[in-house]
Amino acid sequence: AIRITQSPSSLSASTGDRVTITCRASQGISSYLAWYQQKPGKAPKLLIYAASTLQSGVPSRFSGSGSGTDFTLTISCLQSEDFATYYCQQYYSYPRLTFGGGTKVEIK
Amino acid sequence: EVQLVETGGGLIQPGGSLRLSCAASGFTVSSNYMSWVRQAPGKGLEWVSVIYSGGSTYYADSVKGRFTISRDNSKNTLYLQMNSLRAEDTAVYYCARDTIFSRPPGYVYYMDVWGKGTTVTVSS
Repeated sequence: AIRITQSPSSLSASTGDRVTITCRASQGISSYLAWYQQKPGKAPKLLIYAASTLQSGVPSRFSGSGSGTDFTLTISCLQSEDFATYYCQQYYSYPRLTFGGGTKVEIK
Repeated sequence: EVQLVETGGGLIQPGGSLRLSCAASGFTVSSNYMSWVRQAPGKGLEWVSVIYSGGSTYYADSVKGRFTISRDNSKNTLYLQMNSLRAEDTAVYYCARDTIFSRPPGYVYYMDVWGKGTTVTVSS
């Protein structure tokens, strides 16, 4: 099974900060990676697919990059509504999907 | 409006059975790939099962042989039959619509519609 290691598991940041979250796959997965945002008590929300394609309606301050084994999600200017937990998901081995462990973005 | 609504969660004893339902509106379940994803308390997301539009089904190793995914086309509803439940099955269960399409040289996939989830607690 493809394992995804996500880091950090949590971070503290202030509004306006630039935030970067990383996912590393246990083997090459090309660009077969998506990113989701989850707020407490809510379902995940799709942000990015194919490693770097922004889902319709998602603010442009979110961006994704990477290919192969290393991927990043960047929030260029953190807003109050961005405090949440973020997950990456690989679909190279679809239908056997795996998620990263999550990164909780908290207010400093 | 495109929407998924899960029902059927609850408190069940170890070894028991439960059937979750996921009613869809705004799109046709049978024309899409549909998944179940769960989240144990305070933990991350875990893919559980998928049913293809053609009817093929796949399961995570952790539930294979105990869970069955199915759908009722007339009710536009997805199901997850859970048998031989264990404490480690305790989680919020989400249904989601899978979107997958070709983008040469490969393909693109994502879960773009999610329900709000239903909570399953396995405990004596």
